[in-house]
Amino acid sequence: EVQILETGGGLVKPGGSLRLSCATSGFNFNDYFMNWVRQAPGKGLEWIAQIRNKNSNYATYSVESLEGRVTISRDDSKSSVYLQVNSLRPEDTAIYYCTRSSFDYWGQGVMVTVSS
Amino acid sequence: DVVMTQTPVSLPVSLGGQASISCRSSQSLVHSNRNTYLHWYLQKPGQSPQLLIYRVSNRFSGVPDRFSGSGSGTDFTLKISRVEPEDLGDYYCLQSTHFPPTFGGGTKLELK
Repeated sequence: EVQILETGGGLVKPGGSLRLSCATSGFNFNDYFMNWVRQAPGKGLEWIAQIRNKNSNYATYSVESLEGRVTISRDDSKSSVYLQVNSLRPEDTAIYYCTRSSFDYWGQGVMVTVSS
Repeated sequence: DVVMTQTPVSLPVSLGGQASISCRSSQSLVHSNRNTYLHWYLQKPGQSPQLLIYRVSNRFSGVPDRFSGSGSGTDFTLKISRVEPEDLGDYYCLQSTHFPPTFGGGTKLELK
């Protein structure tokens, strides 16, 4: 059974940083690209970052609005993916979801609130 | 980026009735491998999105046959027949043919 679990959310002050983790099981993690998608309160879904697999040289991509502030990484030995977001702004307040490249299975999401 | 235009924004329905949601893309979603990566999701309140239909018309595991997807090129439709209470929520389309993947703005299916 595919399982995806995000952790690491919370309340952060503007300008602060946060590292989200996504632990997976039930599938061959090494075969998949991994994505982060976020959803601001009452809003729609927004893809924000992707990390490809070893065969694709672990290439990373992120949405333009976050470029320079976000780092996505993975640890294949732990079947886990991470999202580091720096210089957080109130508009980064959202639920952050982790999902694999086929966008079929999603985690339950983790809430990040940026407020003073 | 590919813009996904989803309509309507809100869709009042009666239980047992039918619903239809449209998703139009700003460019063709046919991949060079001839597949079309257009998917549909339902997000119930307080939950993560759940995949209903993948690649236009394929029902995901466990999805009832009341849900059907159709379309081609730039024009796609999700139909829900015999709407049940558990079908209420927000529906989203997603294209992953072109990078970056982009979502439609969402459709709220609610009781009339």
